[in-house]
Amino acid sequence: EAGVTQSPRYAVLQEGQAVSFWCDPISGHDTLYWYQQPRDQGPQLLVYFRDEAVIDNSQLPSDRFSAVRPKGTNSTLKIQSAKQGDTATYLCASSRDWKNTLYFGAGTRLSVL
Amino acid sequence: QQKVQQSPESLIVPEGGMASLNCTSSDRNVDYFWWYRQHSGKSPKMLMSIFSNGEKEEGRFTVHLNKASLHTSLHIRDSQPSDSALYLCAASYQGGRALIFGTGTTVSVSP
Repeated sequence: EAGVTQSPRYAVLQEGQAVSFWCDPISGHDTLYWYQQPRDQGPQLLVYFRDEAVIDNSQLPSDRFSAVRPKGTNSTLKIQSAKQGDTATYLCASSRDWKNTLYFGAGTRLSVL
Repeated sequence: QQKVQQSPESLIVPEGGMASLNCTSSDRNVDYFWWYRQHSGKSPKMLMSIFSNGEKEEGRFTVHLNKASLHTSLHIRDSQPSDSALYLCAASYQGGRALIFGTGTTVSVSP
């Protein structure tokens, strides 16, 4: 079984630039999560979907971040105007439903200069 | 205030020794506790989960849960250098929210 696939692996930006992260979850997993993990901290939930519907985006900075999962499979997380404080690893995870084990992708390590 | 609190922040354990990690939820509506392990530069992987009061053992790893005190602990016996990692406690809450993670405990096993 293929795991969760994320791209790109790394991104380096200047403040104010935009960036998109892409995630392909495990086939059959209806729930998809985006977490932000600053260095030496635990993952912090940004948004999660069940199929194509957003279930919780209360922690997503809505003025600059957006996330979609249009067909209930792949998902894209976008930062419109990056700030230095956005420097972190962005992890995508999927599960069969919210009570099941989360499987994480390798993450995208973002540095904003 | 962090909803899931872990202690200690870091721990040095001699090879062959016992590591004990703690985790508490500040929200009484917790359903389940999970323990994930994250090696440096890698993504988190689920280690163990516990839903009921008591103890669960898998190999060298034992998890305890006391629901009344909203507390779980992870114990690693006969620690190996490969156990050096960030250990993350996570909780899921009634109402179907996604997992909330603590800030983690960094375990270093010294040969």
